[in-house]
Formats: sequence, C-alpha cells, structure tokens
Amino acid sequence: EADIYQTPRYLVIGTGKKITLECSQTMGHDKMYWYQQDPGMELHLIHYSYGVNSTEKGDLSSESTVSRIRTEHFPLTLESARPSHTSQYLCASSDTGVTDTQYFGPGTRLTVL
Amino acid sequence: AQSVAQPEDQVNVAEGNPLTVKCTYSVSGNPYLFWYVQYPNRGLQFLLKYITGDNLVKGSYGFEAEFNKSQTSFHLKKPSALVSDSALYFCAVSPPGTDKLIFGTGTRLQVFP
Repeated sequence: EADIYQTPRYLVIGTGKKITLECSQTMGHDKMYWYQQDPGMELHLIHYSYGVNSTEKGDLSSESTVSRIRTEHFPLTLESARPSHTSQYLCASSDTGVTDTQYFGPGTRLTVL
Repeated sequence: AQSVAQPEDQVNVAEGNPLTVKCTYSVSGNPYLFWYVQYPNRGLQFLLKYITGDNLVKGSYGFEAEFNKSQTSFHLKKPSALVSDSALYFCAVSPPGTDKLIFGTGTRLQVFP
C-alpha cells in the first residue's frame, strides 16, 4: 500500500544530542516537505525537496538540515538538540504538478529536555 | 503578505446538526485551496481541494467546501455532523504558480452527542 512513514513517532532526548527523524514514502513522489507544528498548532514549512540531491529551506528558519539521496527517503537531522526544538515534525510528499495534493505522514513528536 | 485566516479557534455543534468551519484568505491571483483534518497524535489527512471550476467541492467523509471569490472564502461544511468528526481542521492555500502551502491556524471542531 502506498503511504508515507515517519519514525520514530515519539522521541524524548537530552540537550546536545544529535538526532535524525526519518521520513519515507512509497508513493513514487518527487516532492517532499518537512513542516514544524508548534504548540499553537500552526504549521510552518522548514525544508523541501523537488528530487534527489535537491533541498531548499522553507519559510521558517530552522537549525535542522535535510538530505535527499534517494527519492523515497527525506531524513531531517538536528546536530545538537535544544529545548527550543521541542515540537511536532510532519513530513509530506506530493507529485510534480503545482496542483498536486500534499500527503502527510503521522508525524514525530520531539521533546528535548 | 499572503495569509490564511481561520477566525474561530473552536466550533461546537450537536451531532446531526450542520456544521461550518470558516476560512478566508489573502492571496493575489487565483490560489488553490485545501482542507485537511488532524486527529489527535496523527498527521494531516487530506479532505478536499479547489483548483478551478464548480465553486462547490465535495470531499471525503461527507465534507464539502464552497469557494467564494468575491469574499475570498473557502468555508468547510457538512450537512449532518458526527461525533467522530471531532478533530482539528486546517485550511491551506497554495499561491498561483507555487506548490507551497500556507496554513491557517486551525479550528478545533467539537461535536457533542
């Protein structure tokens, strides 16, 4: 079944740790996105990619980095986590047209102590 | 600045009654409009979208939305609410020529038995 997956679903870590949030999709989509959802529930685009070896920063500045080595995989990395990084991170993917719908994964809820 | 407004933080409705969740936008040109629903501890699920054509768009789970260009609105509606419709609803706009989504702040729908 075509879907979009995120792991882990929940992560609690200490300050200063390096973490990677995984996102994979089996829908064959070229475009992928990372959003940060803050406690007020608003969503902000932090990274996106139009294909392999393509990554761009989104509207909200983020200390995280992303990579796109394979079409189906779009991991997000924080080199040194801080409490301010505590949030929900949502991954999405879409096909190539500008009207194509973005489909979201279940999210990773990150808590940095 | 381009923006999306969801003026109600919460909408309460009795089961069986019609529901409306409001959305207005401030985007130049003819944007693409989307509605998503988020259940607790889950990602966003796509409900429906308006690209062009008929102003009334039908989507998943019996939801529909009406596009009103003169009022720059895209209100979500359902003729008869279910308790299981209780969730967080997001309106999103994609400005013309882009695939970026600008999200509203979300409206929590509470359907009471």
